[in-house]
Amino acid sequence: GAVVSQHPSRVICKSGTSVKIECRSLDFQATTMFWYRQFPKQSLMLMATSNEGSKATYEQGVEKDKFLINHASLTLSTLTVTSAHPEDSSFYICSAESEEDYEQYFGPGTRLTVT
Amino acid sequence: GIQVEQSPPDLILQEGANSTLRCNFSDSVNNLQWFHQNPWGQLINLFYIPSGTKQNGRLSATTVATERYSLLYISSSQTTDSGVYFCAVDRTMDTGRRALTFGSGTRLQVQP
Repeated sequence: GAVVSQHPSRVICKSGTSVKIECRSLDFQATTMFWYRQFPKQSLMLMATSNEGSKATYEQGVEKDKFLINHASLTLSTLTVTSAHPEDSSFYICSAESEEDYEQYFGPGTRLTVT
Repeated sequence: GIQVEQSPPDLILQEGANSTLRCNFSDSVNNLQWFHQNPWGQLINLFYIPSGTKQNGRLSATTVATERYSLLYISSSQTTDSGVYFCAVDRTMDTGRRALTFGSGTRLQVQP
């Protein structure tokens, strides 16, 4: 149990376009989901906390107008990278907090390459 | 914010060797977790260990909360143990929100 999926697993897009990444909790409900970014050979950095039915909370230095987060249901959160640039190329990982045990379960990640 | 430091940053072992990874943190925490990130990027939770010692097969972990450090022991290492090991601390922020802060990681390579 406690499986989190992400789609797509990898995406290549052109500079200036927008990309949407989905994060789903498959067998549990998650009021709270988290989005992290990981650059090559670096650690995970929390970008934002996504709350079902309310606005996301962004970490300092993360542009909320560039990284749009929508948490429309208890099993789905989406991250849209708007007007992507090459410096947005990174590995994006989501996690979902189970309402049952309050543990965070991590998705497999999405590798974004902006050309 | 809280600082989480891991050592060593890189480690190369021969198959069968033992190793100890360390995680130091600068403030009190609700919980501490150890993760293994495999070569494909998937994070696998190894331990939830706010204090004390736990063991799971060839892996064990010890957290001394009063001294703000945790250790991960890997015994009889195998090539499949290769990857990056992260510790992450779970804190309640001033806003009342919980957040995970990750350490910088230890990159382990186990050679046959």
